[in-house]
Amino acid sequence: DAGVIQSPRHEVTEMGQEVTLRCKPISGHNSLFWYRQTMMRGLELLIYFNNNVPIDDSGMPEDRFSAKMPNASFSTLKIQPSEPRDSAVYFCASRPGPQNEKLFFGSGTQLSVL
Amino acid sequence: AQSVTQLGSHVSVSEGALVLLRCNYSSSVPPYLFWYVQYPNQGLQLLLKYTSAATLVKGINGFEAEFKKSETSFHLTKPSAHMSDAAEYFCAVSGEAGTALIFGKGTTLSVSS
Repeated sequence: DAGVIQSPRHEVTEMGQEVTLRCKPISGHNSLFWYRQTMMRGLELLIYFNNNVPIDDSGMPEDRFSAKMPNASFSTLKIQPSEPRDSAVYFCASRPGPQNEKLFFGSGTQLSVL
Repeated sequence: AQSVTQLGSHVSVSEGALVLLRCNYSSSVPPYLFWYVQYPNQGLQLLLKYTSAATLVKGINGFEAEFKKSETSFHLTKPSAHMSDAAEYFCAVSGEAGTALIFGKGTTLSVSS
C-alpha cells in the first residue's frame, strides 16, 4: 500500500500565481480531507469529502481557494490568485469510511508564496 | 460543535522522565478522541484513539491516555521518555460518524539527555 500521495512535495511561487496541489488517497478509502498547518494557527481543516461529495467547506479561507474530487482516486486544492499569507504546509488525509476511524496522512506540500 | 485545547505549546523533559501532554475537549455529543504524532517533515501518525470502549487507552510506543468525562480531558502520558519521542503531538476530536477530525494546535515535546 503506497499510502496517501501528495504532489508536489514543495512549491515555491510568486504572489498572484495559480497553485494546484494534488492528492491521491489510499485505494478504497471513501473520505478525503484537506488540512493546512501553520505555526500560528496549527492544523486547520479546510474541506472534506465523503464519497467524492464535499461535506463541509466552511474552513476554506476565501473564494480564492477551491477543491475538487472528480473521482475516488484524485483530489485537487487550488489557490487562485495566491498570496504570501497562504504559505503553509497543506496535508491531505484519507479514511476508510464514515465511521470515526483513524486518518491516514500524506507527507504534505510545503507551499511558499513570495 | 467540537473543539480541542492543548495546554502548553512546548514541553521539555529529561530522558527517562514522565511525559504528560494535556488535552481538554469540548463536544456536544459523545466524542471520539485521538492523539497523533508528527515527526519533522512528515505527516501525522495515529498514536491512539478513544471510542468509548475503555477509558484508559493504550497506544503505540508506550503511550497511553485516559478519558475523563468529568474533567473533559484526554491527557497523554508515557512513564519514561526516550530521545526518539521528541516530536509534535496533536490531540483531536470528532463527533458524529462521518464528520471530520478537529485538531488542537499541537504540543512540541523536547527530550534532553
